[in-house]
Amino acid sequence: GENVEQHPSTLSVQEGDSAVIKCTYSDSASNYFPWYKQELGKRPQLIIDIRSNVGEKKDQRIAVTLNKTAKHFSLHITETQPEDSAVYFCAARVDYKLSFGAGTTVTVRA
Amino acid sequence: DTAVSQTPKYLVTQMGNDKSIKCEQNLGHDTMYWYKQDSKKFLKIMFSYNNKELIINETVPNRFSPKSPDKAHLNLHINSLELGDSAVYFCASSQFNQPQHFGDGTRLSIL
Repeated sequence: GENVEQHPSTLSVQEGDSAVIKCTYSDSASNYFPWYKQELGKRPQLIIDIRSNVGEKKDQRIAVTLNKTAKHFSLHITETQPEDSAVYFCAARVDYKLSFGAGTTVTVRA
Repeated sequence: DTAVSQTPKYLVTQMGNDKSIKCEQNLGHDTMYWYKQDSKKFLKIMFSYNNKELIINETVPNRFSPKSPDKAHLNLHINSLELGDSAVYFCASSQFNQPQHFGDGTRLSIL
């Protein structure tokens, strides 16, 4: 089955700096890669996603890149703000099944 | 209007009891899912139904039994609860090839 690895497990950044989270996946059949943000005590919420026929996607301060050959994808957050502090999960999907990374706890220091 | 709603939000019960969690979605999605999020925050798929048909059944103890009376509802029944069942259980729904939308979760605590 699909195995998704996510790094780093924790990330502390100064407000205004950038944050980068990296994921790798194992199943070449994966064709959809969403990123979820989960604040403490809340549900995971989709923040951006990318499909396997696209190499890069951007939405305001958030961007995701995908390298299908290397089987890795990354989340980039620019100009971080305190409200970006949360746990971020990457995921990879084969058919209906979504496999999640272990999560990255991002702390933005004011 | 909550798109994916779960009840109850909190469930505190004794070891050995049987309990159910209910999920309903009003998004018109064909597929619904149950996830377990443990204390280390790891999110793992347990089950998925597509139009009332079980399509994902991960390695889960058979004390866990999902039921989908219609495509808008997916319930999870747990028999003989154990300490290790303590977790947050999330329901989600989606259309095929579209993003999954999560409910607010049910925090299950076993005493």
